[in-house]
Amino acid sequence: KAGVTQTPRYLIKTRGQQVTLSCSPISGHRSVSWYQQTPGQGLQFLFEYFSETQRNKGNFPGRFSGRQFSNSRSEMNVSTLELGDSALYLCASSPSSNRQGRETQYFGPGTRLLVL
Amino acid sequence: SQKIEQNSEALNIQEGKTATLTCNYTNYSPAYLQWYRQDPGRGPVFLLLIRENEKEKRKERLKVTFDTTLKQSLFHITASQPADSATYLCALKAAGNKLTFGGGTRVLVKP
Repeated sequence: KAGVTQTPRYLIKTRGQQVTLSCSPISGHRSVSWYQQTPGQGLQFLFEYFSETQRNKGNFPGRFSGRQFSNSRSEMNVSTLELGDSALYLCASSPSSNRQGRETQYFGPGTRLLVL
Repeated sequence: SQKIEQNSEALNIQEGKTATLTCNYTNYSPAYLQWYRQDPGRGPVFLLLIRENEKEKRKERLKVTFDTTLKQSLFHITASQPADSATYLCALKAAGNKLTFGGGTRVLVKP
């Protein structure tokens, strides 16, 4: 099975712009989570989607949003970019909604975003 | 407030020795705890999961212990190899909550 894929891998934007990142989960996985990773704050949870519904949300401002499509692919959007949004954005998928299946997160390689 | 703490200092260890990493937490009642490995420029890779009612788990050269009284998990890499050099992250899941990660500990195994 192919792993989790994320596009683009690298991105440079300027302050005030918006960005959309894409994630394709492992085939058959219906749960997708997004994380932000920075040297100072570590890996922080953004949100989780399952069957096109947001099921959990982290403590990030409303500028961060996401969605999931019927084929389980997910996108996250960041509007009005700030310098502090520079980070590695990681997507992870999990097999299913039941307790056993959701426990293991399979991460993609990430999108490295640089905001200038 | 809830906290997950891992030693932020890198752990330098000689090949063949056992590396021991610590994950301490406060104000959590975790349902389970996981350990992940992350290499530079890559996403974390799942290694082991241990539940609140389990004391120890093993997988090949890896061993995890979980002490809910001490609120601590220890992660051991026995017979360490240079290929084990990476950052290791612990993550906790409490019922109804999101999976929360510690800051990670970098391990460098010297030949």
